[in-house]
Amino acid sequence: GESVGLHLPTLSVQEGDNSIINCAYSNSASDYFIWYKQESGKGPQFIIDIRSNMDKRQGQRVTVLLNKTVKHLSLQIAATQPGDSAVYFCAENTYSTLTFGKGTMLLVSP
Amino acid sequence: GAGVSQTPSNKVTEKGKYVELRCDPISGHTALYWYRQSLGQGPEFLIYFQGTGAADDSGLPNDRFFAVRPEGSVSTLKIQRTERGDSAVYLCASSLNVRNSPLHFGNGTRLTVT
Repeated sequence: GESVGLHLPTLSVQEGDNSIINCAYSNSASDYFIWYKQESGKGPQFIIDIRSNMDKRQGQRVTVLLNKTVKHLSLQIAATQPGDSAVYFCAENTYSTLTFGKGTMLLVSP
Repeated sequence: GAGVSQTPSNKVTEKGKYVELRCDPISGHTALYWYRQSLGQGPEFLIYFQGTGAADDSGLPNDRFFAVRPEGSVSTLKIQRTERGDSAVYLCASSLNVRNSPLHFGNGTRLTVT
């Protein structure tokens, strides 16, 4: 059968821990960034976005940090829950399309 | 409200056959995107529409792939003479406008070419 997340980097955490997922983006001209969560058999689900004129944005339990100097994004999830287990993708918007990174699998143990 | 709807959810076809995959975007969204996702990979851009016109089709892998959006709402991705390498999940997304708006994805059509 299939193995979801084959070849993906994996982050394993305990329930209640804070999680940090990192992403390096490629194009210095990118001006908009999004984090998506994807559960098995479903499409990517929007979590949070950030524009290039910002370096931090907070949502409910999630924070995105943007470092344009080193072209790096991170997603911080506070008090991680088993329902947060999924593959997380960062995406950068350059010109008119979103380009996705390879993804990180987050595994949360109860 | 209703999200992006894709049909069928699964499609199995034989090599060489023609397939059509349908996408119903969120009502009022003018931009519509098609992506393809292989196992263990991020989605890869195929084509996007602004209204009825294909504004960027640079991601279509070859001329066997074609997409239409005749009335600026529903879109159909068409694949001719399918090959086993076309097997993937085809994702559709829509957004309010092209730049700096999040894309909202459907759950995809899993295409298997035998």
